[in-house]
Amino acid sequence: LAKTTQPISMDSYEGQEVNITCSHNNIATNDYITWYQQFPSQGPRFIIQGYKTKVTNEVASLFIPADRKSSTLSLPRVSLSDTAVYYCLVGNSGNTPLVFGKGTRLSVIA
Amino acid sequence: GAVVSQHPSRVICKSGTSVKIECRSLDFQATTMFWYRQFPKKSLMLMATSNEGSKATYEQGVEKDKFLINHASLTLSTLTVTSAHPEDSSFYICSARGQRNYGYTFGSGTRLTVV
Repeated sequence: LAKTTQPISMDSYEGQEVNITCSHNNIATNDYITWYQQFPSQGPRFIIQGYKTKVTNEVASLFIPADRKSSTLSLPRVSLSDTAVYYCLVGNSGNTPLVFGKGTRLSVIA
Repeated sequence: GAVVSQHPSRVICKSGTSVKIECRSLDFQATTMFWYRQFPKKSLMLMATSNEGSKATYEQGVEKDKFLINHASLTLSTLTVTSAHPEDSSFYICSARGQRNYGYTFGSGTRLTVV
């Protein structure tokens, strides 16, 4: 399974755009990139998934360069409720488990 | 779709007793479920892979006789912490793969406190 590297923590003010970059240098050809959000004492929640280029949904955008060795999660106009830990994972479909890295602890400040 | 229900959400038990945690896939069938453990301010650590109708596969360092996993149906996996000790206090989370590529859905977790 491809290993991922993310910043340990980030701080942001409310209303700003937050970009969290994840490195996954040994991503395999059939791997997808998926981001999860976790609040304290809750299970992780799916945010977005992509394979290449750009993916956007109602909560975030995911930017993936052509070499796919990194990806950037973009959260537009964050609010206090976006304070959470964000995990980047890579893997393919099937029944292999997700292996979590350390994640990025985002703190949004008023 | 792809909802995973985990119960109980929190439990306190005495040292030496056993605790069972249930993980159910509500609207899909899951031949495989995963159990994680998470200590405060740490990431999720995979404990075991639960396979319907067969033995679970445990990660290195996880005692299979202490953490009993049963996956008797396509919608239910249980984790039993046997002879619990205070060091077993943790947040336990299950996961199952849904029907889409991103379908790793997680339960809401169980906070176990052993006193």
